[in-house]
Amino acid sequence: ILNVEQSPQSLHVQEGDSTNFTCSFPSSNFYALHWYRWETAKSPEALFVMTLNGDEKKKGRISATLNTKEGYSYLYIKGSQPEDSATYLCAHHPSGGYQKVTFGTGTKLQVIP
Amino acid sequence: EAQVTQNPRYLITVTGKKLTVTCSQNMNHEYMSWYRQDPGLGLRQIYYSMNVEVTDKGDVPEGYKVSRKEKRNFPLILESPSPNQTSLYFCASSPYERYNEQFFGPGTRLTVL
Repeated sequence: ILNVEQSPQSLHVQEGDSTNFTCSFPSSNFYALHWYRWETAKSPEALFVMTLNGDEKKKGRISATLNTKEGYSYLYIKGSQPEDSATYLCAHHPSGGYQKVTFGTGTKLQVIP
Repeated sequence: EAQVTQNPRYLITVTGKKLTVTCSQNMNHEYMSWYRQDPGLGLRQIYYSMNVEVTDKGDVPEGYKVSRKEKRNFPLILESPSPNQTSLYFCASSPYERYNEQFFGPGTRLTVL
């Protein structure tokens, strides 16, 4: 993987369903992986900062895991609610930290009441 | 209130007319960055700055300039705007100790005719 890729591009789920999406990134040269939540007409807001292989983070019904050796991270939403509707972005930071940041194109989630 | 501010929020201009979009943060963050967001392409980094007087190119720097004379300010300069610079621009800042977790400004929607 040379780039940061997110799948799926978009997702429609029913309220109450659980869902997950993927962020793939270069497995070499890793410093941190961030997840952001971006609601329409607003600015992206940070959800998780993940730095170590095997990291698992949780915030309410949303959780994320990290595998730096194979270069992927999963974001899970349990019991989706309409207010979870947003675009979820991941961002890869190469080692050295303060270098270029590469964002994925995002997964747009629509939760249908 | 801790925040990143951008001005203007909306701007319509004509080809070739120099403009500056200001960005200011009140959180004493070392790292600041500019992104543009275009449909289907996600957030792409234009320039970033690791501290005062230290700036570097992101993935799409052509046609843009930046400066970092003070820690809190990071203006984006378009010397001769062209229609392909029509986009939504975000400024973000980040403290070193948060692994580059970024705090975004509200965005500036720029249209170049």
